Amino acid sequence: DAGVIQSPRHEVTEMGQEVTLRCKPISGHDYLFWYRQTMMRGLELLIYFNNNVPIDDSGMPEDRFSAKMPNASFSTLKIQPSEPRDSAVYFCASSRLPKWTDSSSNTEAFFGQGTRLTVV
Amino acid sequence: DAKTTQPNSMESNEEEPVHLPCNHSTISGTDYIHWYRQLPSQGPEYVIHGLTSNVNNRMASLAIAEDRKSSTLILHRATLRDAAVYYCILRDRERGAQKLVFGQGTRLTINP
Repeated sequence: DAGVIQSPRHEVTEMGQEVTLRCKPISGHDYLFWYRQTMMRGLELLIYFNNNVPIDDSGMPEDRFSAKMPNASFSTLKIQPSEPRDSAVYFCASSRLPKWTDSSSNTEAFFGQGTRLTVV
Repeated sequence: DAKTTQPNSMESNEEEPVHLPCNHSTISGTDYIHWYRQLPSQGPEYVIHGLTSNVNNRMASLAIAEDRKSSTLILHRATLRDAAVYYCILRDRERGAQKLVFGQGTRLTINP
């Protein structure tokens, strides 16, 4: 497997424009996560999905942000309209459902390379 | 989410062991202790995890205190490639929550 694939790797856009970030999780993984990383706030969990259903979106900063997962192999994070303070690196990650009956079962999350977003 | 506390930064020399501490005094009985690291310009990557017993893998060892209120990630022989930010994270098994909540982590510098 090629791992978690994010696109684009870099995005520069003007304030007010719509931005769409894309993620392809690892095949067979049940969970998908979107994170944002900045120097000031570190790694923040924005939203995560289980079996394509959003489970917790409490980290989404405001209504300008939305995320979808139309199928098990694709997710998008959209910012509309974008603002300079949205500039950050956005990571997507995926993991599988653990076997909780097995204490050694790992729920290791695999991260993509990230999308560096710059809003000018 | 139960909170972890780590030193902001640590420094070590190449080929020496490194012990990265983590305090998690509010850990619950169903929390797993996970460690991730983030190399420069990359996404985080899994290092190791444990519940109660000490764990070893090819990357590192995890020593868990008997009361589980603290743990230590051990890199047995640090290389320059181990320079990264190391995150100690608790993940709850019972609630089924799969989310990983990252703190500020420990920035590890390795001197040649």
